[in-house]
This record gives sequence, structure tokens and C-alpha cells, in this order.
Amino acid sequence: EVQLLESGGGLVQPGGGSLRLSCAASGFTFSSYAMSWVRQAPGKGLEWVSVISGNGISTYYADSVKGRFTISRDNSKNTLYLQMYSLRAEDTAVYYCAKIMSNSYYISDYWGRGTLVTVSS
Amino acid sequence: SYALTQPPSVSVSPGQTASITCSGDKLGNKYACWYQQKTGQSPVLVIYQNDKRPSGIPERFSGSNSGNTATLTISGTQSMDEADYYCQAWDSSTVIFGGGTKLTVL
Repeated sequence: EVQLLESGGGLVQPGGGSLRLSCAASGFTFSSYAMSWVRQAPGKGLEWVSVISGNGISTYYADSVKGRFTISRDNSKNTLYLQMYSLRAEDTAVYYCAKIMSNSYYISDYWGRGTLVTVSS
Repeated sequence: SYALTQPPSVSVSPGQTASITCSGDKLGNKYACWYQQKTGQSPVLVIYQNDKRPSGIPERFSGSNSGNTATLTISGTQSMDEADYYCQAWDSSTVIFGGGTKLTVL
């Protein structure tokens, strides 16, 4: 059974605040699949954040986070990461980790439960 | 930048057919997929590559994509189908989500 468990969310101050999210994966061959982060601000729709290839070489970012967020993975630990810097109030959201379907960079066939990031003073 | 447009809300009576549209420039030239998100839950993939259903998704869910519009169709809609639905596509190394449609079954 595929399981994705996000962690690392919390309250952080705007401006200089940083946070690292983690997503522990199990139930599939982690290194064989691209992985993605998608966020959802309170009461709003889904917003794609970033995706990384199975081998970690290729990464893509939404314009809204480019230069501030870094996606990475440790295939030896079956873990996906999202390092977030220079956080803003508009980054407040539930952040979901998602497994990407084979031969795709965007079809998310499994999702975690999400971790809440709140950027506020 | 590429955008996908969905109606904010759609209403349907139980047992009837619900259609949710997703519009984008030449969307028919891309693959579209659809997610269902019930209140307080994570999204669930219901349609991918325009018209394919993942295992476990009921046959009443179907999809199509042509021209500038992708459509999610739910036949014989049930109260359990009440949820937010999001379309999604890939364009220029970017993932795009539609704004979401709230489906009300009443």
C-alpha cells in the first residue's frame, strides 16, 4: 500500500523565515517515480509547487516559488523534501506530497494528508 | 502563462448526469486529468490522460477532451460525489490546475 507522510510544517515569521518539509514514502519503489509538492491555501484551490524526477536530476518550479523553494530527494531514505526560504504570508497553505504516475511529470496518483505551513507574525 | 478555467459551481440532482468543464487554449492538444477533493480530505485522481480511470474509480466517472475544452462527466450522480473537482494539465514544463468546481448534489 502506497503511503506518503508529510512533516515539518508549522508557524514561521514572514520575511526571513525558512522551513523544510519532508515526505516519507513507502509501499512502492521510490526511486522509480517522480514526486511533487502541491499546496492549498485556506479555502482556496490547488496550486502546484514543484516536481522532481525519480533520479533527482530534473526539477521544475512554479513561478511563485522559483528562487525561494528547493525540491530534493534522498532515494536511500525514501524521502522527499521541500526547503522553503524567504517565506511570505501568501505561502500559508497545506502542503501535499504526491507520487507521480509513470512516464509523467504531473499526474498525481497518490497524495499524502498534507502538512500546514503558516507564515505570520 | 497558460490558464485553465472551470465554472465555480455545478448543481445536479441525484441520479442525473453532471458535466464539469475545463477550458484552456488548445487544451485538446494536451492531456488533461481530474481530481476529486471532498471536504477535509486529500485530492483523489479520478481521470487521467483525458479519459482513463484509475483502478477503484467507479465507471460512472468519464472524461473527454477536444478543442479548447475538457469535460468530466459523472453519470448517475450520487450524494457521495459531492466534492470539489479540479482539472490539471502540463504546459511548458509547468503544471497547471483549474480553479476548481464545487459539485452540489441536491
